[in-house]
Amino acid sequence: DTGVSQNPRHKITKRGQNVTFRCDPISEHNRLYWYRQTLGQGPEFLTYFQNEAQLEKSRLLSDRFSAERPKGSFSTLEIQRTEQGDSAMYLCASSSRVESSEQYFGPGTRLTVT
Amino acid sequence: RKEVEQDPGPFNVPEGATVAFNCTYSNSASQSFFWYRQDCRKEPKLLMSVYSSGNEDGKFTAQLNRASQYISLLIRDSKLSDSATYLCVVYTGTASKLTFGTGTRLQVTL
Repeated sequence: DTGVSQNPRHKITKRGQNVTFRCDPISEHNRLYWYRQTLGQGPEFLTYFQNEAQLEKSRLLSDRFSAERPKGSFSTLEIQRTEQGDSAMYLCASSSRVESSEQYFGPGTRLTVT
Repeated sequence: RKEVEQDPGPFNVPEGATVAFNCTYSNSASQSFFWYRQDCRKEPKLLMSVYSSGNEDGKFTAQLNRASQYISLLIRDSKLSDSATYLCVVYTGTASKLTFGTGTRLQVTL
């Protein structure tokens, strides 16, 4: 499968714990995006990378959230001191630089904070 | 006001019906426009791009009116398998991000 992959697919954690999600983009895509989706809403942009550089961050990305893409390939999204309001689907997408508007999504990581 | 507004539905239609969804966007600098389909508890998947001249992809027709900042999607001959949430999406190149509407849920029944 050459699409975007995300791990884990589901994560249940207790409030206050730290969690980390991984995204592997389509191999030839140099742009990688993180979105968050809550029930009944469309996905909301969090941040994006071009190669290893993080170029844009949403106001939604509080200081408890950090994203990295150290070698310009896979990316990780870490949430520290999780809160119940962090419960959501975390979606990763990738695109080429030439067609950056055509973004292809991974299956998402569903986070439940209890 | 949300950047992309859609009627959340649900739209309940019988098989064979034609159904139309509308969407408005507020950012006049938006450059590209799309419809995505999202099945329950799955990721969004690109259905089609939307152009000012109007474009068709099989039984799907999309239209963009830049002056009114309005986007539409027409689905002909609905099938049970078309049941999903349809997300209206705009792309703003300066921010390199997609902005999604809340989605319109379609339920096709026998």
